[in-house]
This record gives sequence, structure tokens and C-alpha cells, in this order.
Amino acid sequence: AQKITQTQPGMFVQEKEAVTLDCTYDTSDQSYGLFWYKQPSSGEMIFLIYQGSYDEQNATEGRYSLNFQKARKSANLVISASQLGDSAMYFCAMREGATDSWGKLQFGAGTQVVVTP
Amino acid sequence: EAGVVQSPRYKIIEKKQPVAFWCNPISGHNTLYWYLQNLGQGPELLIRYENEEAVDDSQLPKDRFSAERLKGVDSTLKIQPAELGDSAVYLCASSLSRGGRTDTQYFGPGTRLTVL
Repeated sequence: AQKITQTQPGMFVQEKEAVTLDCTYDTSDQSYGLFWYKQPSSGEMIFLIYQGSYDEQNATEGRYSLNFQKARKSANLVISASQLGDSAMYFCAMREGATDSWGKLQFGAGTQVVVTP
Repeated sequence: EAGVVQSPRYKIIEKKQPVAFWCNPISGHNTLYWYLQNLGQGPELLIRYENEEAVDDSQLPKDRFSAERLKGVDSTLKIQPAELGDSAVYLCASSLSRGGRTDTQYFGPGTRLTVL
């Protein structure tokens, strides 16, 4: 069964606008971590933001924020004030288990974001 | 701080030839990962090392793939012999692995393999 679902294969967004990338996950663990990565055309996976399952507040990192809805098993990424350099593939990922020893990072299929002038 | 280093960045080989990829993790990171990323998909874990021990290699096709992490630092992933279906990007990542946010994995630029 798919652990991470990203339903938006691609999105266009205008420069300076905000964009929300959807991510739902499936786990029976109580302790898990959620990650978002950006992969530009150069290929490198760039870590953006982390949300722990026990974190009460939504994570924020600069222009990135994570809308974490635990009951709905949703971890949407919000990019505010989009820039041309935000054009890339975005991956949602989950690590299950209380420690790194238990789980691997499982990725969704990704969402391609294109920022237009 | 230097990031994860991988080489080569690109490799083109003919099928049935051997190939090797090298990875140097971020200094101090105990855990090292090799991922396979097919075109249009997210990465999939091949093998995970805790120091020099391979603790999860369940996804590694052991008939043709092998990996090592001597002295718990650098790692090499090898394919012998390569098949057409091995064409993909091979990503290396590392993490501190102390739980929570510190288990964030940081990725290298990857090696794009093309098998002809």
C-alpha cells in the first residue's frame, strides 16, 4: 500500500503567489516524522522542512510552512511568495518509528511546480 | 560545512559492464543511505548503514548489487553486471540518526547512470 500520496502531479503558480502542495500519509505508528524535499533539475534533493508527529505546532522554515493535520493524516507544504527559483519537483516523505533504527524514508511520487513570471 | 559528496555525477556504460559509485557523507554522520530514483518517481531505499554495519539491505538486489562502507565513512555501491533497467539516478544520503529532527537525511547530487 502507498504510504505517501501526492495527488498533484504538476502545478503552475505565479511569482509572488502562495502555493499549497498536498501530501497524505498512511501509518499505524504513533511516532513518525514527515519531511519535504525539493529537487531542482540539477538533481540534488534539498531538505526543506520537518514535522514530528508529536510536534504541537506546525513547522515553519522561512517561506516554507507545513500544515499538519494529524487526524486527517495530512502534511501539506505551503510556499509563500513564490520565486522563479522555486520551480522544481517537491517530494513529501515519511519516516516511521521512534528512532532512526526502525524506519526508512518513504517518498511520494512528487509534485512538479513551475513558477511563472 | 561540506555536504554529501558523490562521484561520478554521470556514468554511461554498456550493459553487462560493471560500475561503481562513491559517496562521502557529511562529517560526523553515522548513518549512510543509498537510494535508487527512477525517472518520474521518488527515491527508494537500497541499503542503510549504521557506521560500517549494513542494517537494512532488504531492497538491495544482491545478485548484482553490492555495497560497502569501510571504516564507517565513505561508501561504494557496485553493480555487476549492469542491465538496461539499472538506468536511474543513484542518490547517497547521510544523517546523524539520533531521533527526531536530527535524523533528517541530507542528500548528495546523485549519480545518473545510463546503461546502453
